[in-house]
Order: sequence, then C-alpha cells, then structure tokens
Amino acid sequence: SQTIHQWPATLVQPVGSPLSLECTVEGTSNPNLYWYRQAAGRGLQLLFYSVGIGQISSEVPQNLSASRPQDRQFILSSKKLLLSDSGFYLCAWSWEGEQYFGPGTRLTVT
Amino acid sequence: KQEVTQIPAALSVPEGENLVLNCSFTDSAIYNLQWFRQDPGKGLTSLLLIQSSQREQTSGRLNASLDKSSGRSTLYIAASQPGDSATYLCAVLMNRDDKIIFGKGTRLHILP
Repeated sequence: SQTIHQWPATLVQPVGSPLSLECTVEGTSNPNLYWYRQAAGRGLQLLFYSVGIGQISSEVPQNLSASRPQDRQFILSSKKLLLSDSGFYLCAWSWEGEQYFGPGTRLTVT
Repeated sequence: KQEVTQIPAALSVPEGENLVLNCSFTDSAIYNLQWFRQDPGKGLTSLLLIQSSQREQTSGRLNASLDKSSGRSTLYIAASQPGDSATYLCAVLMNRDDKIIFGKGTRLHILP
C-alpha cells in the first residue's frame, strides 16, 4: 500500500529564517506530487506540483520554492520566511487521477 | 476556467438525520471528481472517487453522485453520527496529470 510522510508535524520559526519541509511517498513510482497551503479559515491553495524528477510547476509567485531530487521526495523551501507564510502545509500525491494527502505540517512564523 | 462551488459553507444537523452536501462545477469536461473529509488540524482523507463515466459511488453510509451535464455532484450521508462532524471538500480533475481544483468545503456539525 502507498504511504505518504511529512515532517516535521509542527514548526515555529522566526521571520527571516529559512524553511525546509520534506515529503516522501512509499509504495509507488513516478507519482505526481503536490504542495498545498491552507491558511487559517481559508481554502486549499496549490503552491507547486511535479510530474517527474526535476519538473516543478509553480502556481503562486512568492518566496517559496520546491524541489524534487528523487522520484518519491518533494521538498518545500524558503530562504527567508514571512509572517504570511504561516499556515498548514499539505503534501499530496496522485496516481491515475486519484489524489492522496499527507498528515500536514503546521507552520507558525513569529 | 474551472470553478468549484460548495453550498452551504456550513451545516448543523441533529444526529440520525440523512443529509446532502452539494458541489457544482462550471466546466463539465472533467476527468473525475473526488470527495474528501478533513478533520481539524489534519490532512485530507479521500472518501469517494467518481470517474467521468460513472454516475455514483458508495462506501458504507456515504453515496456520491455525479451529473456531468449539469455540473453537479452530491454527497449523501445516511444516518448521520457525531463522528461525521468535519469539513467535506469536493475536487475535480480535468485531465489525468493535471492539477486538482478544490471547492472551499462544507463544514458539517452533527449535533448529539
């Protein structure tokens, strides 16, 4: 069966600090991978998606970036966090059109 | 541009009632439609997936229907329980390798 891991589960970072969130998928190869953000009381916002290693599509211009160094690894990064980066970050993968989500990372920027 | 709308935004019903959540989309040329559940502070759990060629899918007390021509899907929950309290999201996929488009969700509260 397929499993998706995200870490850390929670994170508190000061403004201006760097960020690295990691997502890995087990049990499948060449999945489509996604990063979403969910701000408090708001809907899901797609940030990045990837259909293969090194292939990243950005949906929202901002100070975040994503990388896919391995087939089943997706990393979300920032060089300098902003207060507005606070939120719930969700990684997801899809196979044959069905999407599955990880447990999420709660990021608070102080 | 595809838009997905869920009405109502929030719903409170007494335990034991049957209920229907609605989802509408503007472009009927979808690949599939998926219903998710999200508990507070948690990730999304996939409930039901309906392919474009299908009319409905069932899982336990849940039944999801799809009417592509009218751009509508409904999620029917039978004999609601307090544990059903959560936010329910509808999402459509236009092509197999495309990005999924979400509605804003319906926040459901089942009153014990």
